[in-house]
Amino acid sequence: AQSVTQLDSHVSVSEGTPVLLRCNYSSSYSPSLFWYVQHPNKGLQLLLKYTSAATLVKGINGFEAEFKKSETSFHLTKPSAHMSDAAEYFCVVVSGGYNKLIFGAGTRLAVHP
Amino acid sequence: DVKVTQSSRYLVKRTGEKVFLECVQDMDHENMFWYRQDPGLGLRLIYFSYDVKMKEKGDIPEGYSVSREKKERFSLILESASTNQTSMYLCASSADTGRNEKLFFGSGTQLSVL
Repeated sequence: AQSVTQLDSHVSVSEGTPVLLRCNYSSSYSPSLFWYVQHPNKGLQLLLKYTSAATLVKGINGFEAEFKKSETSFHLTKPSAHMSDAAEYFCVVVSGGYNKLIFGAGTRLAVHP
Repeated sequence: DVKVTQSSRYLVKRTGEKVFLECVQDMDHENMFWYRQDPGLGLRLIYFSYDVKMKEKGDIPEGYSVSREKKERFSLILESASTNQTSMYLCASSADTGRNEKLFFGSGTQLSVL
């Protein structure tokens, strides 16, 4: 069975410092993995997706994630945080067909001036 | 841009009431989904539909039903609302059934059952 674990429920960084949001997955086959972001009072938006083409995936707003099969990880990073990055982030694995997504519990990112 | 519209941003209902949550998408997508979002639990799939009049149970269908009479509209029904159904409900749609197809989400309906 597929599952994802987000290792931190809250992350707090200062503006201009790096961001690291951690995600581990479990999958019985080569997974498809996503990161979604949810800003307050808005719907979820796709940040990036891994589809086995390249292990380092670049997304929108300067975010990227690296797929590491040996560590079963798909951590999200950004070199320099911006105030507008404050949001909740979800790591997601695809389970089976029909786009059945399994969401992690979410990581709330706070960015301080 | 794809737009997924949920009819209400906030709803307050009483225990035992029948509740309808409506979702409309404007991009002719085949697939539509209902999730509920609870703090610390992420999003959990309630039901999804891959065609008009077709539906499949998700991970937590108990206490819910759905209706898809037209391609653009997917309704979630709480037959008899209970307090443990107080939650944020998110509707989503996607164009295809491929594993890499992204979902487009509505802004959510925060339902409170008193």
